[in-house]
Parts: sequence; structure tokens; C-alpha cells
Amino acid sequence: KQEVTQIPAALSVPEGENLVLNCSFTDSAIYNLQWFRQDPGKGLTSLLLIQSSQREQTSGRLNASLDKSSGRSTLYIAASQPGDSATYLCAVMDSNYQLIWGAGTKLIIKP
Amino acid sequence: DGGITQSPKYLFRKEGQNVTLSCEQNLNHDAMYWYRQDPGQGLRLIYYSQIVNDFQKGDIAEGYSVSREKKESFPLTVTSAQKNPTAFYLCASSIVWTGDNQPQHFGDGTRLSIL
Repeated sequence: KQEVTQIPAALSVPEGENLVLNCSFTDSAIYNLQWFRQDPGKGLTSLLLIQSSQREQTSGRLNASLDKSSGRSTLYIAASQPGDSATYLCAVMDSNYQLIWGAGTKLIIKP
Repeated sequence: DGGITQSPKYLFRKEGQNVTLSCEQNLNHDAMYWYRQDPGQGLRLIYYSQIVNDFQKGDIAEGYSVSREKKESFPLTVTSAQKNPTAFYLCASSIVWTGDNQPQHFGDGTRLSIL
């Protein structure tokens, strides 16, 4: 059974720092891996989607990588800003086309 | 603007009562989903619908029911059989069920609490 883990559960860094969020999964048979952002009391916003055949995707200050063989993905945020404060969730699409979710990393950027 | 609208934002349920959460999308998406989010846990799939007039149980369907009579609408009923309904409920949609490597789009959620 696919399991997705995000460590750490929470992270606090000063503004301007570059940072990395981690996501690991147990079964490499995935269609894609997706990163989402969730603001408090809100729904999810899609950030990046990496297809199983891809190694990375970039959008602005965000870069996500995928290593299927090791079951790992990272989300790199460059030059962090207070507005980046949110919970970041990763999810993998399994062989049944269902998204399996991690519990998220709560990120706080200190001004 | 296209998007997903969930209502109400907050909902309170009395013991023994059924309540219905609304989800409407104007994205012309075929597939729709209901998730439950609890603190410290990943989202869990309650029900999904690949196309109008069809729906399937997800991992935690017990105590919930849905209908999909229109492409735009996918309401979720939390029945009295759901003994622990307090949670944040999220509705999502995607172009097609297989995802076609397109992300799911989410509404802003409904927070359900027990009176």
C-alpha cells in the first residue's frame, strides 16, 4: 500500500533563506507527483506537477525534483518571503489514478 | 472566473441529523472528488465521480453519501451513521478521472462541527 511521508511536520526559517521540503513515498509505481500549498482554513492550490518520466519542474522561485527509484521528492523554495508561509502538501497518483497524500509541512517564514 | 464553490463555509450538526455539503464547479471538468482532512493527517478520499450519473466509494465512504445528477454539482451528505464527522471537507475536480497529468482543482472547504 502506497504511503507518503513529509518530514519535518513544521519548519521555521528567516526571510530570504533558501529551503527544501521533503516528501517520500513507498511504491515507485506512480503516474505523477504533485505539490500543493494550503493557506489556513482554505483549499489547496496546485504548485507543481512532475510526471513519472520527468526529473524536475520549475515555477518561479519553486523547483520540485523527483527520484522515483529512491521514492523521494524535494520542493526547493528560493529566497523565501513571509508570503510563502503556508502548509505544503505532496501527493502521488498511484496505479489506480488516486492521489495518496502526505500530512504536510507547515512552513513559517519569519520577517 | 472558473472555479469550485463549496458552501457553507461552516456547518454544525446535531446528533442524529443528516447534513449536506454543496460543491459546484464551472470548469467543465468530468471528474469530481470529496476529501476529508483531519489535523496531522493527509487528505483521505471519501467518494469520487468519473462522470455524471456515476460515483465510486473511496477509502472512507462509510457514513457518507453522494449524488452526481449534473456535471457541475457533486453534493456530499454526512449521515447520522458517521460517528466522528468533525473535520474539514474539501471538494475537488479534474478534467478527467485519469488526471491526464493535470492537477486537481480545489474549493475552499467546509468545516463541519458537532453541536
